[in-house]
Amino acid sequence: EAGVAQSPRYKIIEKRQSVAFWCNPISGHATLYWYQQILGQGPKLLIQFQNNGVVDDSQLPKDRFSAERLKGVDSTLKIQPAKLEDSAVYLCASSLEVWPLGYGYTFGSGTRLTVV
Amino acid sequence: DAKTTQPNSMESNEEEPVHLPCNHSTISGTDYIHWYRQLPSQGPEYVIHGLTSNVNNRMASLAIAEDRKSSTLILHRATLRDAAVYYCIPVNSGNTPLVFGKGTRLSVIA
Repeated sequence: EAGVAQSPRYKIIEKRQSVAFWCNPISGHATLYWYQQILGQGPKLLIQFQNNGVVDDSQLPKDRFSAERLKGVDSTLKIQPAKLEDSAVYLCASSLEVWPLGYGYTFGSGTRLTVV
Repeated sequence: DAKTTQPNSMESNEEEPVHLPCNHSTISGTDYIHWYRQLPSQGPEYVIHGLTSNVNNRMASLAIAEDRKSSTLILHRATLRDAAVYYCIPVNSGNTPLVFGKGTRLSVIA
């Protein structure tokens, strides 16, 4: 089974520039998550999608971050304009609806963003 | 969300057993206890989960206290490839986002 694909793997941008990350979840996984992981901390949820609808975006800084999941498959996360504190690894994960299938949560390798 | 407490770091010699503790005293009766680990430069990966009984799989064993307020992840023979940050996460339903704490950074010494 193919894993969660993310691109790019690394990105360096200047502050105030914009950037976009792409995620392709595991086929058949209806739920998709974006997490932000700052160095030395655990991942923090930014947004959760169920198919192409948003379930939870309460921790997404909506003044600069946006995300979409068209057609309920791939997803993109955008930051515009970026700030220095946005430097982090952005992780995408997907999960099955079947419960309690504990191993149903699968993460991609992430995109490491550096804002200079 | 149930709060968890884990040691910041632990160290083990290669090929020796490792016991990683987690306190989750506010866990609800229906929360499953999940363990994930994050290898360097990788996303978290599933290790094991359980509800009440001890669980074993090819990666590890999970020992859950009778009162469910704590659990211990057991790696029977640590290898260098087990060096990672280990997270203990209570989860109460399918497709609930995983809520990560700081986890335990395990170092394995050759």
